[in-house]
Amino acid sequence: GESVGLHLPTLSVQEGDNSIINCAYSNSASDYFIWYKQESGKGPQFIIDIRSNMDKRQGQRVTVLLNKTVKHLSLQIAATQPGDSAVYFCAENPITGNQFYFGTGTSLTVIP
Amino acid sequence: EAGVTQSPTHLIKTRGQQATLRCSPISGHTSVYWYQQALGLGLQFLLWYDEGEERNRGNFPPRFSGRQFPNYSSELNVNALELEDSALYLCASSNPRQGVQPQHFGDGTRLSIL
Repeated sequence: GESVGLHLPTLSVQEGDNSIINCAYSNSASDYFIWYKQESGKGPQFIIDIRSNMDKRQGQRVTVLLNKTVKHLSLQIAATQPGDSAVYFCAENPITGNQFYFGTGTSLTVIP
Repeated sequence: EAGVTQSPTHLIKTRGQQATLRCSPISGHTSVYWYQQALGLGLQFLLWYDEGEERNRGNFPPRFSGRQFPNYSSELNVNALELEDSALYLCASSNPRQGVQPQHFGDGTRLSIL
């Protein structure tokens, strides 16, 4: 199967700082990527997506960067808030239908 | 718009028993995906159903099976339960006819094997 991995399993940041969560993917043919947020006791929630014809996409307080050369994806969260504490997953679609492959996740803890 | 709903929220079984988990997709979504999430780990793909047919399955034994009904809801069945089957089982849905798009998840069924 495909492999989508994260560089850092845990990340702690001070409230108000910016957070950066990284993800490496293995399939250079993948053309669509998603970041999900999973809070305790809940299912993953869509945050932002990006297609391979872009290298940056911005949402509300979040930015996703895609570097296809090194097969790297990152999620930047501006002015991190306590409500941002969760596990963040990246997911990769290797153009095999609508199936995605998920990384193991990064646990983000925001320190008040 | 109602999201993906899963039932039951929690399920407690003993080794060797059988478990049935249910999922109702978002209205208009024809695809349902099942994932297993062991404690502290990522999502492992189990099964994908679309238009009532199994489209793909992950690297799980045959005792993990399921089906999709004409109304696109789905069941996941796990036979001969083992202790390592204890996990959160997540269901997601999407409409592949709208192109590749995010899967929308329910809050899962927590299956505990005693």
